[in-house]
Amino acid sequence: GAGVSQSPRYKVAKRGQDVALRCDPISGHVSLFWYQQALGQGPEFLTYFQNEAQLDKSGLPSDRFFAERPEGSVSTLKIQRTQQEDSAVYLCASSQLDGIQETQYFGPGTRLLVL
Amino acid sequence: GQQLNQSPQSMFIQEGEDVSMNCTSSSIFNTWLWYKQDPGEGPVLLIALYKAGELTSNGRLTAQFGITRKDSFLNISASIPSDVGIYFCAGNNNNDMRFGAGTRLTVKP
Repeated sequence: GAGVSQSPRYKVAKRGQDVALRCDPISGHVSLFWYQQALGQGPEFLTYFQNEAQLDKSGLPSDRFFAERPEGSVSTLKIQRTQQEDSAVYLCASSQLDGIQETQYFGPGTRLLVL
Repeated sequence: GQQLNQSPQSMFIQEGEDVSMNCTSSSIFNTWLWYKQDPGEGPVLLIALYKAGELTSNGRLTAQFGITRKDSFLNISASIPSDVGIYFCAGNNNNDMRFGAGTRLTVKP
């Protein structure tokens, strides 16, 4: 069956450029999460949606980062005026219900390189 | 930064050997999970643990949720070359999931 998909898989941006990363969650999954994974590290939480509502954005590193999920399905993570330190893998995950024990399923990630 | 202390950072083992890795935290978690990540891919869930003291197996993998809720271990028995990858522990409290820095496993045939 279809898992979580992300696009693009790779993105090279010049410093200062805006980028938009897309996540298609598993169909019917209520919760959607964005993570940032630096080289050699585990994923770090950025933000979380339940349907279209952004319930937690405490992990977004600066106001240059913005995420939306307007119809409660596809989500976009936007980074404005990219900096070299934004280079990382951006992972999206979705889970079926908003519950304590819900398993998060990850997409393949978007590898962002800012030059 | 990472809130979970995962060890070892890396392991080099011979095919057929058993492997053990663990994760500790200063915080309590309701759920512990173990993921494997292959190069160029996202993490894939291996085992999820929901109750303190729980011991769960998935094929050659066995994981335990520590009784204090602050630690977990993962064992892999009779390793094979396709076990190569990075293993991450994760603790989850109500959708607030924190990851360890990973254990990089290399299996020599």
